[in-house]
Amino acid sequence: GAVVSQHPSRVICKSGTSVKIECRSLDFQATTMFWYRQFPKKSLMLMATSNEGSKATYEQGVEKDKFLINHASLTLSTLTVTSAHPEDSSFYICSANGAGPSYEQYFGPGTRLTVT
Amino acid sequence: GNSVTQMEGPVTLSEEAFLTINCTYTATGYPSLFWYVQYPGEGLQLLLKATKADDKGSNKGFEATYRKETTSFHLEKGSVQVSDSAVYFCAIPQGGSEKLVFGKGMKLTVNP
Repeated sequence: GAVVSQHPSRVICKSGTSVKIECRSLDFQATTMFWYRQFPKKSLMLMATSNEGSKATYEQGVEKDKFLINHASLTLSTLTVTSAHPEDSSFYICSANGAGPSYEQYFGPGTRLTVT
Repeated sequence: GNSVTQMEGPVTLSEEAFLTINCTYTATGYPSLFWYVQYPGEGLQLLLKATKADDKGSNKGFEATYRKETTSFHLEKGSVQVSDSAVYFCAIPQGGSEKLVFGKGMKLTVNP
């Protein structure tokens, strides 16, 4: 149980284009999902908290107009990187909160974005 | 808010060696504590957790005990395998939210 999928696993796009990454909870409902960015040899950087049916909450320093988040259902959140540039190249990982009070998160396998 | 500090490494061990990865925490109250593992090219997986003080979490031969006296949650394994090569993250709820706060991660390489 508690499986989270991401699609695509890898994407290469040209500078100036937009890319959408999907995050799905496959066997549970998630009112809250999180989007992280991970740089090489670095820890996770939380970008935003995605709330079903409401606007996402962005962390300080993350451009909300560049990283558009939509949480349209209890099993799907999407991250769209708009007008991508090479500096947006990174590993993007989503997670979803499990049920219960312990706050454990279940992570997707990640999406490797390369902007050329 | 709550925070964790963990060993950063990298660490290289030989197969069957003993492993300890230190993690200490600062928190209000006694929140759950987690160890996550990230294998190369993959997302994070929950390795083990402890939900209250003095609990011991265990999985795949790894163990960690929630020690309030020393505010620690050190990860241990008695005999590591090549397949344990990964990055290990200690994590704690932020406090007052569903967010998790992660340590900086420690890369472990196990050689045959």
